[in-house]
Amino acid sequence: NAGVTQTPKFRVLKTGQSMTLLCAQDMNHEYMYWYRQDPGMGLRLIHYSVGEGTTAKGEVPDGYNVSRLKKQNFLLGLESAAPSQTSVYFCASTRTRVNTEAFFGQGTRLTVV
Amino acid sequence: SQKIEQNSEALNIQEGKTATLTCNYTNYSPAYLQWYRQDPGRGPVFLLLIRENEKEKRKERLKVTFDTTLKQSLFHITASQPADSATYLCALDMRDNQGGKLIFGQGTELSVKP
Repeated sequence: NAGVTQTPKFRVLKTGQSMTLLCAQDMNHEYMYWYRQDPGMGLRLIHYSVGEGTTAKGEVPDGYNVSRLKKQNFLLGLESAAPSQTSVYFCASTRTRVNTEAFFGQGTRLTVV
Repeated sequence: SQKIEQNSEALNIQEGKTATLTCNYTNYSPAYLQWYRQDPGRGPVFLLLIRENEKEKRKERLKVTFDTTLKQSLFHITASQPADSATYLCALDMRDNQGGKLIFGQGTELSVKP
């Protein structure tokens, strides 16, 4: 049972390049989340999804897009990367919204130069 | 706007003592509150969940309290050990018209010295 898997684990981008981060969960969870974590800032919610085909904005959505075409996958896209998007990105999933724990992936360390 | 605050300064304690971490929130009444542990280079790991109608929850050496009047949760680790050293995060379910989102505090770093 893999849980939540993020791809890739590390990436270096040049300013202006685009990329997609993949999050896959094998627990049949309804809710999925993308966070970024910066020193001293904790986890900040970028976008989230309450089910297949749905997405919603979190606290810091600008510069990112997401898609949830399949229940098990949640993709985070950067169309034109900026140095301010250098961060560690975490994906998480929960079974439902009510009183369930979140399971996290191992993180993706992204550097934009 | 909604806000979650945890002790911003690192907490240093001696092995065997009780560590107490706080989580305060404003402008919201969450249905439940969660606590997570995060080790360097890893994703957060769930520890405990407490509902708004529960005042206290325990799990082994961990205890969480939830005061909805004060809008505060306290997280206690009794008989602390060096292996408890990590960053601890609280999280709230912020309901909105799209079903809800899980928001985290910035975390408190705990260091337990032998």
